[in-house]
Amino acid sequence: QKEVEQNSGPLSVPEGAIASLNCTYSDRGSQSFFWYRQYSGKSPELIMFIYSNGDKEDGRFTAQLNKASQYVSLLIRDSQPSDSATYLCAVTGGGSNYKLTFGKGTLLTVNP
Amino acid sequence: DGGITQSPKYLFRKEGQNVTLSCEQNLNHDAMYWYRQDPGQGLRLIYYSQIVNDFQKGDIAEGYSVSREKKESFPLTVTSAQKNPTAFYLCASSPLGGHRPNEQFFGPGTRLTVL
Repeated sequence: QKEVEQNSGPLSVPEGAIASLNCTYSDRGSQSFFWYRQYSGKSPELIMFIYSNGDKEDGRFTAQLNKASQYVSLLIRDSQPSDSATYLCAVTGGGSNYKLTFGKGTLLTVNP
Repeated sequence: DGGITQSPKYLFRKEGQNVTLSCEQNLNHDAMYWYRQDPGQGLRLIYYSQIVNDFQKGDIAEGYSVSREKKESFPLTVTSAQKNPTAFYLCASSPLGGHRPNEQFFGPGTRLTVL
């Protein structure tokens, strides 16, 4: 059974701080990694994807991937109250497997 | 506007009834997916389809059925065999090739409640 693990939180940070969200996965063949943001009562929205080891930056968001450690993280710089949401980590399997396995999500609260 | 639509937004079902949730996409995506989300459980895959007239069971397919007669449409039927259907149902689609395969886009969801 492929697993994706996230700390459920809640993670609470002050406005302007860096929020760090972590995710580990069990399938060594996983090739694609995604971070979704989900506001309460709404559907998930893709905010970052990463395929290669290292860092990928997009505005205030940075995704970090370490395949050897089977670890992917999301950093949110200059956190804003509007970033308060649940963040879901999702991972594909190896080969031609297009299915995503989701973690249970981490609830982030940014305090003004 | 391109996107994924789901209807209805809210659905109430009496015990013993079958209900069908609609999902339509105009993104020209080959693959479509159905997920169920319960509080604190994350997203669990019910069924997925990569091509018209073909679909595969996900992790929790029991009590559900789907069809894929058109590329744009992937309806989900929640049958009376599903013992605990109250949940938030999410439909998604993705391309299977190109620059960013596997990237799944979600519809707004249908919240199903059993009375």
